[in-house]
Amino acid sequence: TQLLEQSPQFLSIQEGENLTVYCNSSSVFSSLQWYRQEPGEGPVLLVTVVTGGEVKKLKRLTFQFGDARKDSSLHITAAQPGDTGLYLCAGPNSGTYKYIFGTGTRLKVLA
Amino acid sequence: DAGVTQSPTHLIKTRGQQVTLRCSPISGHKSVSWYQQVLGQGPQFIFQYYEKEERGRGNFPDRFSARQFPNYSSELNVNALLLGDSALYLCASSSTGTGGMYEQYFGPGTRLTVT
Repeated sequence: TQLLEQSPQFLSIQEGENLTVYCNSSSVFSSLQWYRQEPGEGPVLLVTVVTGGEVKKLKRLTFQFGDARKDSSLHITAAQPGDTGLYLCAGPNSGTYKYIFGTGTRLKVLA
Repeated sequence: DAGVTQSPTHLIKTRGQQVTLRCSPISGHKSVSWYQQVLGQGPQFIFQYYEKEERGRGNFPDRFSARQFPNYSSELNVNALLLGDSALYLCASSSTGTGGMYEQYFGPGTRLTVT
């Protein structure tokens, strides 16, 4: 089974700061998704990246898929308290119908 | 359009009991997946169903079973509950059942507490 490791595990920053969250694997993924989850709720899909080297922007969030499709990053510019939550990367396990989630990054943005 | 719905929202059961959780996918979606999320961790894949057939199964014991109905709704059953089964159970629906690129949309989850 492929694994997805995220770093950092926890992040506490002040409003207005920039941050980057990483999602790494030793295996190739056909696609990766990023989700944000708030306490007691299901994950909400933010973006899907498919092509190696692909960059997608969602307002202040920038997502990048590694050239080799083994890693991805999420960069948040000028973080706001509303960005607080658990950020998860996920993707389909190659050759199976299993779907793998990363270990998660818990972000807290202080006002 | 309605998103993925799950019922019940919360559930408290005693060790050894059985529980059934229900999920209705987004209209038009034929694939439903189930996940277990223990506090502080990412969701763990349990099952995927597509067109009423099991397409994938995670590393969970046989106490966990599921089925999908003709209207694509699904039930997850857990027998002989253990304290360690306490978790948020998430259902996700997607428009295709292929193992490749597909996007999943999650319901709010069912919080199961086993005492």
